[in-house]
Amino acid sequence: SYELTQPPSVSVSPGQTARITCSGDALPKQYAYWYQQKPGQAPVLVIYKDSERPSGIPERFSGSSSGTTVTLTISGVQAEDEADYYCQSADSSGTYKVFGTGTKVTVL
Amino acid sequence: QVQLQESGPGLVKPSQTLSLTCTVSGGSISSGSYYWSWIRQPAGKGLEWIGRIYTSGSTNYNPSLKSRVTISVDTSKNQFSLKLSSVTAADTAVYYCARGYYDSSGGDAFDIWGQGTMVTVSS
Repeated sequence: SYELTQPPSVSVSPGQTARITCSGDALPKQYAYWYQQKPGQAPVLVIYKDSERPSGIPERFSGSSSGTTVTLTISGVQAEDEADYYCQSADSSGTYKVFGTGTKVTVL
Repeated sequence: QVQLQESGPGLVKPSQTLSLTCTVSGGSISSGSYYWSWIRQPAGKGLEWIGRIYTSGSTNYNPSLKSRVTISVDTSKNQFSLKLSSVTAADTAVYYCARGYYDSSGGDAFDIWGQGTMVTVSS
């Protein structure tokens, strides 16, 4: 089955930049999406179609894509950004959705 | 604004069928470029997509669950439902319903989620 691989954890000091990668063979063909999940809450969409930001999401969240890897960047990290982050995409046919393994972002 | 709310039993016995319903409020389940999905998350673990349904009735299921999953829609009640048969302890998880939005350029994201409901499989 198709998999998206993320690093388990990323630690960053306030005001610094956090980068979270997501790797998958079908990413050159399928858009990627990023979700933020805080404890006890449902996920929230923070990036769609690789690099677009939904309304209401702070500008410090950005996304990029290169080959089989997509990256979520949080610039000027704030304490409130501490959460789990999941990438999401689809298999090469676009039919079956898949989530990445998830990355816990810790703000030191 | 559109909101989703899951409902159903919080405890299911092994080998039985898990049944959940998602009620859509604040808008019609039939309007716009949307499909409706179920996603689950075992405690302390990641998200797993279960499947989706369009209001036409067309469905897609996660291949790993396909033999046990049925998703249906009732447009008259603005609801869609999940049935997962032959459950085991491995099916214990928080179950989320979510709206999938798609556009003409290939964009396809889960833009609205329910709060989630915990389902435990235990005798």
